[in-house]
Amino acid sequence: NAGVTQTPKFQVLKTGQSMTLQCAQDMNHEYMSWYRQDPGMGLRLIHYSVGAGITDQGEVPNGYNVSRSTTEDFPLRLLSAAPSQTSVYFCASSAGEGGNEKLFFGSGTQLSVL
Amino acid sequence: GQNIDQPTEMTATEGAIVQINCTYQTSGFNGLFWYQQHAGEAPTFLSYNVLDGLEEKGRFSSFLSRSKGYSYLLLKELQMKDSASYLCAVKDSNYQLIWGAGTKLIIKP
Repeated sequence: NAGVTQTPKFQVLKTGQSMTLQCAQDMNHEYMSWYRQDPGMGLRLIHYSVGAGITDQGEVPNGYNVSRSTTEDFPLRLLSAAPSQTSVYFCASSAGEGGNEKLFFGSGTQLSVL
Repeated sequence: GQNIDQPTEMTATEGAIVQINCTYQTSGFNGLFWYQQHAGEAPTFLSYNVLDGLEEKGRFSSFLSRSKGYSYLLLKELQMKDSASYLCAVKDSNYQLIWGAGTKLIIKP
């Protein structure tokens, strides 16, 4: 099993450009999420999904869109990139939202917005 | 507000024991997680506690006291490969994860 596959690994954008970060999992997980990780801060939830066709906002959703057309895929779209979106992004999935459900993370995307 | 506190950085010696503390203030509690994150890599699951007490898993143990809002991760027989950041996270009443900023553990020979 590949687990959670996230692409690209690195990306440089200019302010105002748009892009999509891809995330796919092959574990048949219902729950998928996107986080950003910034120095000195805990992981912050951007958007999440509890199943195909269902998405919801996390702590820091502004400037990002998501969709969940299939169980496997959960892409994150940056609509108009800003320097404040420079960060490391992680996609993560779990079997459910229950208390003991652990997250499986993708390998991360280092995004720089100039 | 919800808050998770961990030390920013700790240093320990190869072969020794280290304890990484985590204190939390959250709206409700549905479990506490520890994840390990090597530099440039993704976090990986280490442990889960929902009841008070100690959970042991090989060289790693995790302790929880819900009344004190406190947990620790105990690493024994430290190896160089244990150099990493250790993230504490709590699931609140809505089953949302609240994350600490992580503790960077440096192991010296």
